[in-house]
Amino acid sequence: KAGVTQTPRYLIKTRGQQVTLSCSPISGHRSVSWYQQTPGQGLQFLFEYFSETQRNKGNFPGRFSGRQFSNSRSEMNVSTLELGDSALYLCASSRDGAFDGANVLTFGAGSRLTVL
Amino acid sequence: EDQVTQSPEALRLQEGESSSLNCSYTVSGLRGLFWYRQDPGKGPEFLFTLYSAGEEKEKERLKATLTKKESFLHITAPKPEDSATYLCAVRYGGSQGNLIFGKGTKLSVKP
Repeated sequence: KAGVTQTPRYLIKTRGQQVTLSCSPISGHRSVSWYQQTPGQGLQFLFEYFSETQRNKGNFPGRFSGRQFSNSRSEMNVSTLELGDSALYLCASSRDGAFDGANVLTFGAGSRLTVL
Repeated sequence: EDQVTQSPEALRLQEGESSSLNCSYTVSGLRGLFWYRQDPGKGPEFLFTLYSAGEEKEKERLKATLTKKESFLHITAPKPEDSATYLCAVRYGGSQGNLIFGKGTKLSVKP
C-alpha cells in the first residue's frame, strides 16, 4: 500500500519568490491536511482539504493557500516568500476529516523549504 | 488558551534505562490524544490514540496512559533504535474540532 507522497523533498528559494508543494494521499483518503514544522514553533496546522473543499484553516497569513483536485491530490502555495517561511512542510491524509473522532493521520516525509 | 505542552524537551537515556515522557494539555472537549514518533528527515508515524482518562495502550517497549490533564509515554528498557522525537497531539472542540501538536520530546538512547 503506497504511503503519502510529497514532492519536492527539498527546495531552495529566495525572498519574494513563490513555491508550490504537492501531496498525493493514500488511495481512498479524502482528507489532506498541511502542517508547518519549525524548531521554534513545532508542528502547526495550516489547512485541510476534504473532497476538494477547504474544511479547516489555521492561523496563517493569506500568502499560504492550497487546493485539492478531484483525485484527492493536493497542492499548497506560498507566495512572496519570507525568511521565516523556511520550514519542513508536512502533509497528512486520512479517510475522514483530519479533526474527526478516531481518524489517524498518515504523514508524508515532508518538503523542506529553505528561503534565502 | 488551549495548549499542549511536552516535557522534557530532550531526554538522554542509557540503553535499558526506563523513563517517561509527559504531555499535558488544557483544552475543552477532548476528543482524542495521539502519540507519534518522528525520525530525522521523516514525517511523524502514528503510535497510539487515547480517548478517555484511565485508558492505556501498549506496543512493544512503549506504553501510553491518559489522565484528565496529561498523558505519559512510558518507555521500558529502551534500545538505541527508540531514539526519535516523540510528539503528542490533542484533538478537541465542537463540531469542526481542532488539533494541536506539542513541540515534542527528543529522545536519545545510548548503547
